[in-house]
Amino acid sequence: NAGVTQTPKFQVLKTGQSMTLQCAQDMNHNSMYWYRQDPGMGLRLIYYSASEGTTDKGEVPNGYNVSRLNKREFSLRLESAAPSQTSVYFCASSESAGRVGGELFFGEGSRLTVL
Amino acid sequence: AQKVTQAQTEISVVEKEDVTLDCVYETRDTTYYLFWYKQPPSGELVFLIRRNSFDEQNEISGRYSWNFQKSTSSFNFTITASQVVDSAVYFCALSGDRGSTLGRLYFGRGTQLTVWP
Repeated sequence: NAGVTQTPKFQVLKTGQSMTLQCAQDMNHNSMYWYRQDPGMGLRLIYYSASEGTTDKGEVPNGYNVSRLNKREFSLRLESAAPSQTSVYFCASSESAGRVGGELFFGEGSRLTVL
Repeated sequence: AQKVTQAQTEISVVEKEDVTLDCVYETRDTTYYLFWYKQPPSGELVFLIRRNSFDEQNEISGRYSWNFQKSTSSFNFTITASQVVDSAVYFCALSGDRGSTLGRLYFGRGTQLTVWP
């Protein structure tokens, strides 16, 4: 019963390096999301994918790219990491594809530090 | 625009006290959902409850209860007889039905609850 799986769980990068956070869900959900969590800021949406083949920007997309590889997988890429991207990243999925009210199921989070 | 405000940044109580976490929301959507999530020190996010905009009945689940009032745009969460295991960050969230925001959850900044033995 894996649910939403994120890798890696911890990563340290130097400024300017690139990396990809991987996310996979096994619940056959249509929608997937990437959030970042910073102290005192709650969770802010970076990008989301309402359904396979579509992606859209959230509240804080700058510096990130995403790929919805298939229905199960949704990756988040940092092309040139900056210290401001030090955060905890959460992937989530939900059944909702164009309808309101879907509960989000979250991964365990990935803690990224950019030096 | 969707907005969720959790004015209480931190709350500390002693075990067995009752505590209420406030949540105020803003939306122009006709149909919307409100959520509460719990984030214990281990870091994962745990779904607690979902309530739609047409159902203003209060809900009780064990020591947890939720008070939804559309008139004041509030969805408050009460823990009765708090326990140390209730110590966590609690997030309130909103999902609306309009256009580009359809299905997306907007989170408040969270309330850190600490329950002392």
